[in-house]
Amino acid sequence: GEDVEQSLFLSVREGDSSVINCTYTDSSSTYLYWYKQEPGAGLQLLTYIFSNMDMKQDQRLTVLLNKKDKHLSLRIADTQTGDSAIYFCAELGGNQFYFGTGTSLTVIP
Amino acid sequence: AAGVIQSPRHLIKEKRETATLKCYPIPRHDTVYWYQQGPGQDPQFLISFYEKMQSDKGSIPDRFSAQQFSDYHSELNMSSLELGDSALYFCASSLGGLAGAVEQYFGPGTRLTVT
Repeated sequence: GEDVEQSLFLSVREGDSSVINCTYTDSSSTYLYWYKQEPGAGLQLLTYIFSNMDMKQDQRLTVLLNKKDKHLSLRIADTQTGDSAIYFCAELGGNQFYFGTGTSLTVIP
Repeated sequence: AAGVIQSPRHLIKEKRETATLKCYPIPRHDTVYWYQQGPGQDPQFLISFYEKMQSDKGSIPDRFSAQQFSDYHSELNMSSLELGDSALYFCASSLGGLAGAVEQYFGPGTRLTVT
């Protein structure tokens, strides 16, 4: 099955940029996603990218996709304390999502 | 805008009991997905329904069953509960079956605790 991997933890200072990385294995994935989950809360869709795109920017968020290396990244500019959460990348396989292990982002004031 | 509604939000059951989780999709959405997220784990796909028919099946235990009703709401029935069933259960909805799976909207989840 699909195997989506992320580093478990990331810590940045407020105002700096955060880069969260993800690798996936299914080269046939057509869409790749980033979700945010705050403690005890549901999954909030941040953004998604179609596999024929290299980059997508949405306000403070920039998604980069390297399809050759099956690598997806999420850059958060000017990281704020409210960005502290777990970030999941996910790929769409058929009609179900395969989620990564999640990266816990801690923003230090 | 209306979102996916799940009920209850929290549920505490004892081992070997049964539980029923409910999901009300976004109005006009015809496809429902269930995911299970164990403590510290990533969400795992359980099962999905499109137009009241099961459309895909993931890692759903045989003790669990689900269905989608004529109003498109879905229920996940869990029997002979085990401690390992303690998790956050998400429901997501979309429009149009496989074609609409690109945009799945997640509910807030039901936190099930089995003691």
